[in-house]
Amino acid sequence: DGGITQSPKYLFRKEGQNVTLSCEQNLNHDAMYWYRQDPGQGLRLIYYSQIVNDFQKGDIAEGYSVSREKKESFPLTVTSAQKNPTAFYLCASSPNRGREKLFFGSGTQLSVL
Amino acid sequence: SQQGEEDPQALSIQEGENATMNCSYKTSINNLQWYRQNSGRGLVHLILIRSNEREKHSGRLRVTLDTSKKSSSLLITASRAADTASYFCATQDRDDKIIFGKGTRLHILP
Repeated sequence: DGGITQSPKYLFRKEGQNVTLSCEQNLNHDAMYWYRQDPGQGLRLIYYSQIVNDFQKGDIAEGYSVSREKKESFPLTVTSAQKNPTAFYLCASSPNRGREKLFFGSGTQLSVL
Repeated sequence: SQQGEEDPQALSIQEGENATMNCSYKTSINNLQWYRQNSGRGLVHLILIRSNEREKHSGRLRVTLDTSKKSSSLLITASRAADTASYFCATQDRDDKIIFGKGTRLHILP
């Protein structure tokens, strides 16, 4: 099946720890996005990438890092510098530099121990 | 910053009635999209309208776009219990960033 897969579904982080959220797509899409969603809120853009080996900061990039070494993969690292990481993280992809609809993964819920 | 602002924040209507949600944005856009989210899930794409279009239909959905007022509306006709969800508008700006609003929580009453 073609689609976009996020893992894990639930993730727990200890104080001072970096954690990495996985996002993989087999849709051959150029553009990939990471969003953060807090309870009852909308989505806020963390990072986005329109081509391999290139990515841009979104509105809330501080405390996060990404890489885009392969077209199908766009992992997000939540670093220890992110002081309030508890949130629902959503990854999305889109063809044509994002000028078509976004396809979303099912999300990762990150909580702090 | 959040580009889009949906209005109202929450809406409760009787099953069978029409639901209208509005979205306002701030900058020039390539397109505007509407998405639905059921609690704790990923978002599902509903409809995309480009900046040179004024109206689009898809089944029970009707979207309008007024670029002079920087606003859009989503109409869901003949609402059903399964339409209960949060609805978000998203705009793509000239830098290809896709920014979401805070959403409208729609509750269809039986």
